[in-house]
Amino acid sequence: QMQLVQSGPEVKKPGTSVKVSCKASGLTFSNPVVQWVRQVRGQRLEWIGWIVVGSGDTVYAQKFQGRITFSRDMSMSAVYMEVSSLTSEDTATYYCASEGLGIWHFWGQGTLVVVSS
Amino acid sequence: QTVVTQEPSLTVSPGGTVTLTCGFSTGAVLSGSSPNWFQLKPGQTPKSLIYRTSNRHSWTPARFSGALLGDKAALTLSGVQPEDEADYYCLLAQGGAWVFGGGTKLTVL
Repeated sequence: QMQLVQSGPEVKKPGTSVKVSCKASGLTFSNPVVQWVRQVRGQRLEWIGWIVVGSGDTVYAQKFQGRITFSRDMSMSAVYMEVSSLTSEDTATYYCASEGLGIWHFWGQGTLVVVSS
Repeated sequence: QTVVTQEPSLTVSPGGTVTLTCGFSTGAVLSGSSPNWFQLKPGQTPKSLIYRTSNRHSWTPARFSGALLGDKAALTLSGVQPEDEADYYCLLAQGGAWVFGGGTKLTVL
């Protein structure tokens, strides 16, 4: 079965940006959509948005519009999430997950992003 | 803003049965909300358990079942095992967006 492998942990200064990658273990993503989710320590999972791998179409949760950008590199079987203007409130574990037709399948292992001065 | 509610915590004895529920603050959960359920354990990758209300993934043990109960989505664990102790999250679709519930911490004791 497909696995999603995310990039490693990051430590960033407030006001800077971070880019997290999510790569399919096989040649391609087996489901058409990659969802992004985060979990601040001790809090609930929070949906960030999704990207359609084939077309590059994106949808963002209202809370994150204008500050988060999804992209993909088909040749690398990878999708990316970039978060700008980081604050301490963005310290969280970020996950990617594959989804198609309302079915969430596999999750990445998570990427811890710490924002600290 | 729509809020999805879950029981904050539940306790069940090994071998017992427990039902977790998932509701919308604004109305009933319908099949069109495409309920998904996930299991989270500390230090592990989240695991998808149930999709579209009641469908198990190929890796989901048969003791996990999903349904609509009244105006909520529900996840029932029958014959609970010690390894089922975890946080469980539901996820509902609404208007092109997705909303997670607050999670239920299930203790097996």
